[in-house]
Parts: sequence; structure tokens; C-alpha cells
Amino acid sequence: GAVVSQHPSRVICKSGTSVKIECRSLDFQATTMFWYRQFPKQSLMLMATSNEGSKATYEQGVEKDKFLINHASLTLSTLTVTSAHPEDSSFYICSAKTGGANTGELFFGEGSRLTVL
Amino acid sequence: QKEVEQDPGPLSVPEGAIVSLNCTYSNSAFQYFMWYRQYSRKGPELLMYTYSSGNKEDGRFTAQVDKSSKYISLFIRDSQPSDSATYLCAGFTGGGNKLTFGTGTQLKVEL
Repeated sequence: GAVVSQHPSRVICKSGTSVKIECRSLDFQATTMFWYRQFPKQSLMLMATSNEGSKATYEQGVEKDKFLINHASLTLSTLTVTSAHPEDSSFYICSAKTGGANTGELFFGEGSRLTVL
Repeated sequence: QKEVEQDPGPLSVPEGAIVSLNCTYSNSAFQYFMWYRQYSRKGPELLMYTYSSGNKEDGRFTAQVDKSSKYISLFIRDSQPSDSATYLCAGFTGGGNKLTFGTGTQLKVEL
């Protein structure tokens, strides 16, 4: 299957600082990438859809000024958690779509565990 | 009511057992159904992908979709300890970008 790389896998930061997470598609070009958040023993929650060369589309209830998304190239999307607080501590996972627009096949990165102290 | 319902488990089985994992869904517009396996502290890995009703087999894994009852299943034959993980089902309408995931079922295969 397609390979999606995410970095860093784990980050610990102080409250008030900003953290950037990178998502790369290694062996394919992804015009669309997705950012999910997952709390322990809960399902994946879609935060936003990242489109190359345009603004991200955020899901209802997700603060776009808090979670900045940049999709500067066909292989890279970044999520920046700005002014992080302990409640932002979570597992953030990116994914990218291959195949046709309507097939729904998604390949996920390894995830980034954010801990805000 | 959640669009995709899944028993969180944990489900414990002995090695070699046949495992049955199930989801129900409420959105009649779902056309595509996926099963993902997620190991602890890792991202989900696509296991099976099916379109509409029917069965799909891949090695020890069989996915079944019954759209009339809005029921999807994943069967694992000859289960191994390495199958211990959380299994997430997901539905997709075929339009837009949003997959809808279940909460996942935690599976433990014991020696």
C-alpha cells in the first residue's frame, strides 16, 4: 500500500508554545490530505481536509486559528498547534487519499502523540 | 445515534480461533466500507476495502457487507497473537472526503 510518513512521532511541549507536525506521502502525490485526532479508546475524529495550494476545510467545532494547516506541495501537509494547552494533548494522525476521488481509500501516517505540560 | 456503531470490546480469543468483528451503520448512502487495523500508539493500517454488498477475501481475512441490514463484518481465520490490535470499521458515501469511523474493537489473541 501507499506510504504516508508523519513526524515527529512524539512531542512534549510547554503550555503556550506552538508545535508543528509534518505529513508526507512518500511514494505518491496527494492533492488531498486529512488530519484526524484520536483520544484514548475513541474513534478517529476528522479535524480538517488539507488541499494542495488552497485553504484547508475545517470540520465543525475545530478552530482554524488554533490548528493551522498548510499543504504547500503534493507530498507535504503540516499541522501547527498554536499556543498549545494541556487539553490539546492527543494523538494526531494524518492520512492521504489515493485512487479516484470517490473510492475513499485512505492511507494513514504513524501518528504523532502530543503531550502539553 | 452514531452513524457507525461498533462494540469496543475487549474481545479475547485463543490462538487459532476464528474471530468475528462487526459493525452496524445507519447511513444508507454508504457505498464503500473499510476495515482498518490499529496497533497501540500507531496509525491505522488499511486491511480490507469493499464496495457495496458482498464478500471479499484476502488471506486469513474476509470482509462481508450486508447493505439490506446495514451490517458489516470482518472474519479472521486462524487468529495469531500478532492480530492483537484495535480494528476500526469505516463507511464512505463516495462523495466528498469524509470517512465515518466506528470507535474500534480491541482484539486480544492469547497463546
